[in-house]
Amino acid sequence: EVQVVESGGGLVQPGGSLKLSCAASGFAFSGSAIHWVRQASGKGLEWVGRIKRKAASSATAYAASVKGRFTLSRDDSKNTAYLEMNTLKIEDTAVYYCVARLCGDAYCYSDYWGQGTLVTVSS
Amino acid sequence: QSVLTQPPSASGTPGQRVTISCSGSRSNIGSNYVYWYQQLPRTAPKLLIYGNNQRPSGVPDRFSGSKSGTSASLAISGLRSEDEADYYCAAWDDSLSGRVFGGGTKLTVL
Repeated sequence: EVQVVESGGGLVQPGGSLKLSCAASGFAFSGSAIHWVRQASGKGLEWVGRIKRKAASSATAYAASVKGRFTLSRDDSKNTAYLEMNTLKIEDTAVYYCVARLCGDAYCYSDYWGQGTLVTVSS
Repeated sequence: QSVLTQPPSASGTPGQRVTISCSGSRSNIGSNYVYWYQQLPRTAPKLLIYGNNQRPSGVPDRFSGSKSGTSASLAISGLRSEDEADYYCAAWDDSLSGRVFGGGTKLTVL
Protein backbone atom coordinates (compact mmCIF):
# COMPACT_ATOMS: atom_id res chain seq x y z
CA GLU A 1 0.00 0.00 0.00
CA VAL A 2 1.28 3.44 -0.94
CA GLN A 3 1.66 5.87 1.92
CA VAL A 4 2.89 9.45 2.00
CA VAL A 5 2.85 11.07 5.42
CA GLU A 6 3.83 14.64 6.22
CA SER A 7 4.80 15.76 9.70
CA GLY A 8 6.37 18.71 11.45
CA GLY A 9 3.68 21.31 10.99
CA GLY A 10 2.60 23.59 13.80
CA LEU A 11 2.43 27.13 15.09
CA VAL A 12 5.44 29.38 14.55
CA GLN A 13 6.03 33.09 14.96
CA PRO A 14 6.76 35.36 12.00
CA GLY A 15 10.45 35.20 11.21
CA GLY A 16 10.71 31.73 12.68
CA SER A 17 11.68 28.38 11.16
CA LEU A 18 10.09 25.00 10.71
CA LYS A 19 11.16 21.77 9.03
CA LEU A 20 8.57 19.48 7.47
CA SER A 21 9.17 15.81 6.78
CA CYS A 22 7.57 13.59 4.17
CA ALA A 23 7.87 9.84 4.79
CA ALA A 24 6.90 7.52 1.97
CA SER A 25 6.42 3.80 1.49
CA GLY A 26 4.91 1.34 -0.95
CA PHE A 27 6.60 2.62 -4.12
CA ALA A 28 10.05 3.38 -5.50
CA PHE A 29 10.75 6.54 -3.53
CA SER A 30 14.25 6.97 -4.91
CA GLY A 31 12.84 7.07 -8.43
CA SER A 32 10.32 9.76 -7.64
CA ALA A 33 10.39 13.52 -7.80
CA ILE A 34 9.08 15.15 -4.63
CA HIS A 35 6.95 18.26 -4.92
CA TRP A 36 5.47 20.38 -2.16
CA VAL A 37 2.16 22.13 -2.71
CA ARG A 38 0.38 24.36 -0.22
CA GLN A 39 -3.17 25.48 0.22
CA ALA A 40 -4.28 28.36 2.40
CA SER A 41 -7.65 27.99 4.04
CA GLY A 42 -10.42 28.36 1.46
CA LYS A 43 -7.91 29.04 -1.32
CA GLY A 44 -6.49 27.18 -4.29
CA LEU A 45 -3.36 25.11 -4.72
CA GLU A 46 0.04 26.80 -4.83
CA TRP A 47 3.17 25.00 -5.92
CA VAL A 48 6.05 25.49 -3.48
CA GLY A 49 8.94 23.56 -4.96
CA ARG A 50 10.35 20.31 -6.28
CA ILE A 51 13.38 18.07 -5.82
CA LYS A 52 14.15 15.59 -8.56
CA ARG A 53 15.40 12.03 -8.03
CA LYS A 54 19.10 11.44 -7.37
CA ALA A 55 19.62 10.19 -10.92
CA ALA A 56 18.61 13.67 -12.04
CA SER A 57 21.09 15.27 -9.66
CA SER A 58 18.36 15.92 -7.05
CA ALA A 59 17.80 19.19 -8.88
CA THR A 60 15.61 21.66 -7.03
CA ALA A 61 13.23 24.37 -8.16
CA TYR A 62 11.24 26.83 -6.05
CA ALA A 63 8.32 29.17 -6.42
CA ALA A 64 9.33 32.82 -6.45
CA SER A 65 7.37 33.40 -3.24
CA VAL A 66 9.60 31.04 -1.24
CA LYS A 67 12.93 31.13 -3.09
CA GLY A 68 15.79 31.94 -0.76
CA ARG A 69 13.74 31.10 2.32
CA PHE A 70 12.76 27.45 1.75
CA THR A 71 15.10 24.52 1.08
CA LEU A 72 14.24 21.07 -0.22
CA SER A 73 16.25 17.94 0.52
CA ARG A 74 15.81 14.19 0.50
CA ASP A 75 17.27 11.11 2.15
CA ASP A 76 16.53 8.12 -0.05
CA SER A 77 17.97 5.74 2.56
CA LYS A 78 15.08 6.78 4.81
CA ASN A 79 12.48 7.20 2.04
CA THR A 80 12.00 10.71 3.40
CA ALA A 81 11.98 14.20 1.96
CA TYR A 82 12.24 17.48 3.82
CA LEU A 83 11.09 21.06 3.45
CA GLU A 84 13.05 23.47 5.59
CA MET A 85 11.27 26.80 5.97
CA ASN A 86 13.04 29.89 7.28
CA THR A 87 12.06 33.52 7.74
CA LEU A 88 8.43 32.48 7.79
CA LYS A 89 5.78 35.04 6.96
CA ILE A 90 2.12 35.18 7.90
CA GLU A 91 1.26 34.50 4.26
CA ASP A 92 3.04 31.14 4.49
CA THR A 93 0.17 29.88 6.63
CA ALA A 94 -1.34 26.90 4.81
CA VAL A 95 -1.73 23.15 4.66
CA TYR A 96 1.44 21.78 3.09
CA TYR A 97 1.14 18.70 0.91
CA CYS A 98 4.00 16.43 -0.10
CA VAL A 99 3.53 14.89 -3.55
CA ALA A 100 5.63 12.03 -4.86
CA ARG A 101 5.59 11.93 -8.65
CA LEU A 102 6.73 9.09 -10.87
CA CYS A 103 7.75 10.31 -14.29
CA GLY A 104 8.73 8.84 -17.62
CA ASP A 105 10.67 10.50 -20.39
CA ALA A 106 7.73 12.59 -21.53
CA TYR A 107 5.46 13.16 -18.55
CA CYS A 108 4.66 12.15 -15.01
CA TYR A 109 2.10 9.38 -14.73
CA SER A 110 1.57 8.93 -10.98
CA ASP A 111 1.01 11.35 -8.13
CA TYR A 112 0.96 10.20 -4.54
CA TRP A 113 -0.29 12.90 -2.17
CA GLY A 114 0.03 13.00 1.56
CA GLN A 115 -2.79 14.11 3.83
CA GLY A 116 -1.12 17.46 4.45
CA THR A 117 0.29 19.17 7.52
CA LEU A 118 -0.87 22.56 8.77
CA VAL A 119 1.64 25.36 9.21
CA THR A 120 0.38 28.43 11.02
CA VAL A 121 2.53 31.55 11.15
CA SER A 122 1.20 33.91 13.78
CA SER A 123 2.34 36.00 16.71
CA GLN B 1 -4.08 35.77 -9.65
CA SER B 2 -3.26 32.36 -11.08
CA VAL B 3 -1.08 31.84 -14.15
CA LEU B 4 -3.61 29.34 -15.50
CA THR B 5 -7.16 30.66 -15.78
CA GLN B 6 -10.17 28.55 -14.88
CA PRO B 7 -13.80 29.55 -14.38
CA PRO B 8 -14.47 29.78 -10.63
CA SER B 9 -17.61 27.68 -10.86
CA ALA B 10 -19.46 25.20 -13.03
CA SER B 11 -22.62 23.22 -12.57
CA GLY B 12 -24.74 20.51 -14.13
CA THR B 13 -27.49 18.05 -13.40
CA PRO B 14 -26.99 14.30 -12.97
CA GLY B 15 -26.30 12.59 -16.27
CA GLN B 16 -25.21 15.79 -18.02
CA ARG B 17 -21.85 16.51 -19.61
CA VAL B 18 -19.83 19.35 -18.13
CA THR B 19 -16.63 20.94 -19.44
CA ILE B 20 -14.09 22.93 -17.43
CA SER B 21 -11.61 25.09 -19.31
CA CYS B 22 -8.04 26.01 -18.45
CA SER B 23 -6.33 28.83 -20.31
CA GLY B 24 -2.61 29.44 -20.25
CA SER B 25 0.19 30.63 -22.48
CA ARG B 26 2.97 29.40 -24.73
CA SER B 27 5.34 28.92 -21.80
CA ASN B 28 3.08 26.56 -19.89
CA ILE B 29 0.19 24.78 -21.62
CA GLY B 30 1.57 25.67 -25.02
CA SER B 31 4.76 23.71 -24.47
CA ASN B 32 4.15 21.29 -21.62
CA TYR B 33 1.75 18.59 -20.54
CA VAL B 34 -1.44 19.40 -18.66
CA TYR B 35 -2.65 17.65 -15.52
CA TRP B 36 -6.04 17.75 -13.83
CA TYR B 37 -6.82 17.19 -10.16
CA GLN B 38 -10.02 16.57 -8.24
CA GLN B 39 -10.24 17.74 -4.65
CA LEU B 40 -13.17 16.51 -2.64
CA PRO B 41 -14.07 18.50 0.49
CA ARG B 42 -11.51 18.19 3.27
CA THR B 43 -9.29 15.78 1.34
CA ALA B 44 -6.02 15.94 -0.54
CA PRO B 45 -6.18 16.45 -4.31
CA LYS B 46 -6.27 13.36 -6.51
CA LEU B 47 -4.72 13.04 -9.97
CA LEU B 48 -7.47 12.76 -12.55
CA ILE B 49 -5.70 13.30 -15.87
CA TYR B 50 -2.00 13.27 -16.75
CA GLY B 51 -0.15 13.89 -19.99
CA ASN B 52 -3.02 16.02 -21.35
CA ASN B 53 -5.46 13.15 -21.81
CA GLN B 54 -4.33 10.03 -19.93
CA ARG B 55 -6.29 8.57 -17.02
CA PRO B 56 -4.60 6.86 -14.07
CA SER B 57 -5.94 3.43 -13.30
CA GLY B 58 -9.10 3.64 -11.27
CA VAL B 59 -10.30 6.92 -12.76
CA PRO B 60 -13.60 6.34 -14.59
CA ASP B 61 -13.67 6.93 -18.34
CA ARG B 62 -16.39 9.52 -17.70
CA PHE B 63 -13.45 11.87 -17.17
CA SER B 64 -11.48 12.99 -20.22
CA GLY B 65 -8.90 15.66 -20.96
CA SER B 66 -7.90 17.50 -24.07
CA LYS B 67 -5.49 20.24 -25.09
CA SER B 68 -5.32 22.61 -28.00
CA GLY B 69 -2.66 25.29 -28.30
CA THR B 70 -2.51 27.19 -25.03
CA SER B 71 -5.80 25.89 -23.63
CA ALA B 72 -6.97 22.64 -22.10
CA SER B 73 -10.29 21.20 -21.05
CA LEU B 74 -11.61 18.61 -18.65
CA ALA B 75 -14.88 16.95 -19.62
CA ILE B 76 -17.06 14.99 -17.25
CA SER B 77 -19.85 12.98 -18.82
CA GLY B 78 -22.69 11.21 -17.05
CA LEU B 79 -22.38 13.64 -14.15
CA ARG B 80 -22.89 12.10 -10.71
CA SER B 81 -23.43 13.66 -7.30
CA GLU B 82 -20.06 12.36 -6.11
CA ASP B 83 -18.34 14.47 -8.80
CA GLU B 84 -19.11 17.58 -6.76
CA ALA B 85 -15.64 18.86 -5.95
CA ASP B 86 -12.98 21.43 -6.81
CA TYR B 87 -11.04 20.80 -10.01
CA TYR B 88 -7.59 22.18 -10.77
CA CYS B 89 -5.45 22.19 -13.90
CA ALA B 90 -1.66 22.31 -13.69
CA ALA B 91 1.34 22.50 -15.99
CA TRP B 92 5.03 23.27 -15.89
CA ASP B 93 5.92 26.83 -16.85
CA ASP B 94 9.22 27.21 -18.69
CA SER B 95 9.42 30.97 -18.09
CA LEU B 96 8.86 30.65 -14.35
CA SER B 97 10.83 27.39 -14.10
CA GLY B 98 8.09 26.09 -11.86
CA ARG B 99 4.76 24.36 -11.79
CA VAL B 100 1.64 26.46 -12.03
CA PHE B 101 -1.94 25.69 -11.05
CA GLY B 102 -5.23 27.12 -12.17
CA GLY B 103 -7.31 28.91 -9.58
CA GLY B 104 -9.69 25.98 -9.36
CA THR B 105 -13.27 25.38 -10.47
CA LYS B 106 -15.95 24.44 -7.98
CA LEU B 107 -18.30 21.97 -9.62
CA THR B 108 -21.83 21.79 -8.26
CA VAL B 109 -24.15 18.94 -9.17
CA LEU B 110 -27.66 20.35 -9.03
